[in-house]
Amino acid sequence: TQLLEQSPQFLSIQEGENLTVYCNSSSVFSSLQWYRQEPGEGPVLLVTVVTGGEVKKLKRLTFQFGDARKDSSLHITAAQTGDTGLYLCAGGGDTDKLIFGTGTRLQVFP
Amino acid sequence: NAGVTQTPKFQVLKTGQSMTLQCAQDMNHEYMSWYRQDPGMGLRLIHYSVGAGITDQGEVPNGYNVSRSTTEDFPLRLLSAAPSQTSVYFCASSYSRAGDTYEQYFGPGTRLTVT
Repeated sequence: TQLLEQSPQFLSIQEGENLTVYCNSSSVFSSLQWYRQEPGEGPVLLVTVVTGGEVKKLKRLTFQFGDARKDSSLHITAAQTGDTGLYLCAGGGDTDKLIFGTGTRLQVFP
Repeated sequence: NAGVTQTPKFQVLKTGQSMTLQCAQDMNHEYMSWYRQDPGMGLRLIHYSVGAGITDQGEVPNGYNVSRSTTEDFPLRLLSAAPSQTSVYFCASSYSRAGDTYEQYFGPGTRLTVT
């Protein structure tokens, strides 16, 4: 069974701080996606990475796929209150089924 | 485009009752899935479909049925509700981008409580 472990589970920081969220597995994935979910809503896709070592930037968010395609990280620079939410990673294989991580709940205080 | 829509938004059932959670998408996506979300457990796949007339089980299928008679609709049926099915249910649709990447578009969710 493929598992994706995210750390930390909870993160509470002040506006302006930097943070990194990790997504780790013992399995290889052909792609890795990151989603953000706000209270009362469904997850929304932020990015997809498909190549080992790939780095993608989305404004203040930087996503990296591990060289061996078993792990990924999300780094947020100068966090804002609007970044508050649940961050989920999801690994894709050779089918349309995704394996979702356990989630990291981020709270950014003003 | 409305995207993925789900009804109802909230539902309370008594143990043993049955009900259907509705899901529809207007993006002509081939793939549709049902997930449940419980605290600390991320999203777990219940059932999915790769096209009209084709469904398959996910990680936690027991107690749920699905059918896919059209590309647009993918209802989830609870046969005999149990308290363990108290959860938030999300429907998603997806399509294949380049190669093996399937990016999911989620509905707003149905919050179900079974007493």
